[in-house]
Amino acid sequence: NAGVMQNPRHLVRRRGQEARLRCSPMKGHSHVYWYRQLPEEGLKFMVYLQKENIIDESGMPKERFSAEFPKEGPSILRIQQVVRGDSAAYFCASSPIGTAPNQPQHFGDGTRLSIL
Amino acid sequence: TQLLEQSPQFLSIQEGENLTVYCNSSSVFSSLQWYRQEPGEGPVLLVTVVTGGEVKKLKRLTFQFGDARKDSSLHITAAQPGDTGLYLCAGASGANNLFFGTGTRLTVIP
Repeated sequence: NAGVMQNPRHLVRRRGQEARLRCSPMKGHSHVYWYRQLPEEGLKFMVYLQKENIIDESGMPKERFSAEFPKEGPSILRIQQVVRGDSAAYFCASSPIGTAPNQPQHFGDGTRLSIL
Repeated sequence: TQLLEQSPQFLSIQEGENLTVYCNSSSVFSSLQWYRQEPGEGPVLLVTVVTGGEVKKLKRLTFQFGDARKDSSLHITAAQPGDTGLYLCAGASGANNLFFGTGTRLTVIP
């Protein structure tokens, strides 16, 4: 299966711990997007990355959240000192090029983060 | 912030009925995409519309992009239980991300 792979699928953390979410894009895709989804809501854009570069992080909270997409390996979304409000589903999407009128983004199945 | 509002938010219908879901915004988008999301899974792309007034058909689903490229509709004919899911519209404006709508949760009762 050459789809977007996210792991873990479920992650439980206690308040104050760190959460690391991983995303491997589809083969041949070099653009990665992270979104957050609260229950019964649409997806909210967080960050757009290319290999080794953050292109747009306008949707990222100013503190505790960071993202990277290294030359080798998956993209990582890191949340430090988690709080209950961070509980959500986090989705990663990839595309071969940046957003274009008819260029779709392919989504993974998400990581469901629960904060105790 | 570009907002996409979908209506209705929830819809429950009997198998065989027709329905229409709306996606409205005050902003102009270069393209609009429709996704369906099943519980526990990521959104799956159904269609992309690019040209104002464009109509695309996917089996029993008909998608229309408004002339001004600010709104879209999804019409399902003879709904089936397999159509149950969360339907999301998403607009692209040339920026580096998609703006997702608030979603319509459809339940088709056998």
